[in-house]
Amino acid sequence: QKEVEQNSGPLSVPEGAIASLNCTYSDRGSQSFFWYRQYSGKSPELIMFIYSNGDKEDGRFTAQLNKASQYVSLLIRDSQPSDSATYLCALAPYSSASKIIFGSGTRLSIRP
Amino acid sequence: DADVTQTPRNRITKTGKRIMLECSQTKGHDRMYWYRQDPGLGLRLIYYSFDVKDINKGEISDGYSVSRQAQAKFSLSLESAIPNQTALYFCATSAPRDRGRSGELFFGEGSRLTVL
Repeated sequence: QKEVEQNSGPLSVPEGAIASLNCTYSDRGSQSFFWYRQYSGKSPELIMFIYSNGDKEDGRFTAQLNKASQYVSLLIRDSQPSDSATYLCALAPYSSASKIIFGSGTRLSIRP
Repeated sequence: DADVTQTPRNRITKTGKRIMLECSQTKGHDRMYWYRQDPGLGLRLIYYSFDVKDINKGEISDGYSVSRQAQAKFSLSLESAIPNQTALYFCATSAPRDRGRSGELFFGEGSRLTVL
């Protein structure tokens, strides 16, 4: 089982709708969770991090963490064409909290 | 200027050649990382270093070596390149995850390596 699992997509969402991206993980002791956005040919950039159960909101983005069920999600409200990118879920595992492990990413496409 | 700079940005080489990818940073972070990205496989950790005297293997260190020449410099070497090392390589830095800091990674722009 991979440490971090994401559906590769592509996930197609109409402009203005809510995009929902999900990620599950295997290390129950994982401490911190990150969502990175990566445009094609570019480097990843952090958009959200979360370490407590529940929701964390930042503008149009909401990260949700459920440690009991071992999943973390990212909601993007009012999706825009500029949100079309690959979204990488990442975490710091309990086994080595100093490293950050990435999922394979979900490709999101916002259709006008 | 970028906070994390990688050179070269693109390199085409032949099987068996020695290749070095260099990374320098102005963020003042002690922690530096090398990741490799392949289509559909996300980012995989090759090596990481928490200070000049600390080097650690990641998930896929075979065929690679690193050198931490200074706090700001971390280079990745392929002693004898092979075609399946064709990939996009990212250097990253981070501060420790404490005092409310997330420990997020700050990435360089990437080095695209093609091994023929």
